Amino acid sequence: DTAVSQTPKYLVTQMGNDKSIKCEQNLGHDTMYWYKQDSKKFLKIMFSYNNKELIINETVPNRFSPKSPDKAHLNLHINSLELGDSAVYFCASSQDIATNEKLFFGSGTQLSVL
Amino acid sequence: GNSVTQMEGPVTLSEEAFLTINCTYTATGYPSLFWYVQYPGEGLQLLLKATKADDKGSNKGFEATYRKETTSFHLEKGSVQVSDSAVYFCALITGGTSYGKLTFGQGTILTVHP
Repeated sequence: DTAVSQTPKYLVTQMGNDKSIKCEQNLGHDTMYWYKQDSKKFLKIMFSYNNKELIINETVPNRFSPKSPDKAHLNLHINSLELGDSAVYFCASSQDIATNEKLFFGSGTQLSVL
Repeated sequence: GNSVTQMEGPVTLSEEAFLTINCTYTATGYPSLFWYVQYPGEGLQLLLKATKADDKGSNKGFEATYRKETTSFHLEKGSVQVSDSAVYFCALITGGTSYGKLTFGQGTILTVHP
């Protein structure tokens, strides 16, 4: 069983569309994250939830809206997609916010906006 | 704020060569330091860590020593293998206002040829 799974693996869409990326972890962790990796491999945190509560919200356009229906899931919805949103998006989890240095990552969703 | 700077890649080596990937950091307070590795098509995974000055982290033949005086955490391996080909990320975490945020360097692509 995959510890942190995200779907879809690839997402190709047109500018202006709305899309969602789903993430689930079966590790029993309390804390989940979304990271964005650009074409130069820079990895930057976007959001973090701890027990369904938003605890980190970096300077991300409000077109990006995370949703955590329960602590095992953290989905990312993106409205009005733009070319600059093209990147690889990684979901991750940690046992809790205090042990957040050991992150377990999903395999990424490569988003291409045309 | 916190930042991590890694040596520019890509790095290309022959099998059994010695590897060094440089990493320096700036941080408020006393950070914990990490190396993460991303194999092709996968998410990142923790390779090793050090939580205080002069600590040495090690795993799978890789080592890195926390040098507070030079604010560095260079990754080394004595004899690389083809299977070590991956992207390597140096990272740090601190408390205070950066609590919960793992800050990554830009990643260094390593390719090992037979």
